Amino acid sequence: SQQGEEDPQALSIQEGENATMNCSYKTSINNLQWYRQNSGRGLVHLILIRSNEREKHSGRLRVTLDTSKKSSSLLITASRAADTASYFCATDATSGTYKYIFGTGTRLKVLA
Amino acid sequence: EPEVTQTPSHQVTQMGQEVILRCVPISNHLYFYWYRQILGQKVEFLVSFYNNEISEKSEIFDDQFSVERPDGSNFTLKIRSTKLEDSAMYFCASSAKETQYFGPGTRLLVL
Repeated sequence: SQQGEEDPQALSIQEGENATMNCSYKTSINNLQWYRQNSGRGLVHLILIRSNEREKHSGRLRVTLDTSKKSSSLLITASRAADTASYFCATDATSGTYKYIFGTGTRLKVLA
Repeated sequence: EPEVTQTPSHQVTQMGQEVILRCVPISNHLYFYWYRQILGQKVEFLVSFYNNEISEKSEIFDDQFSVERPDGSNFTLKIRSTKLEDSAMYFCASSAKETQYFGPGTRLLVL
């Protein structure tokens, strides 16, 4: 079954450093999204990348997609303590119903 | 900026009781969803809803679950007879197309 798996499961860095999180999935997709979740809170949409795109930027975020390897990465540059959260990738099926499968998430901790 | 809202934020119920979780999606969105997240686990898809009917549902979404759009603004998830394992955070989401915007969630605790 289609499944997103992020690695690492947990990441701890110093403020100002870059954080890279990876996501792998199993089946073909139309697009992939990254979300952030602060502890016990809702999911905040960060960025969507379509299957025909290779890279996308939004502020300090950079997302890449390699459909041949069925993987994506999220890079947060110049991290801040406020970036501390869990980050999830979510992939849709090609059925066009907009059902998303979430990965297991990476827990990022940015130390001040 | 428009956002998805959910009520209540927390709900405690006894096993076997019915609960209704409420959501107000973003007003010009046409697709609506429910997901759940058991503590410490993945976010899991439950159901998608479009044009007043269910588009897709997961194996979790059994006969105990139902969804409804009773009027032009609300979208509800009903659990008819709650079980202990229904304890989770329930998220509503809505979208105009692919990008889904999530509400803050309802934390359901079944005792």
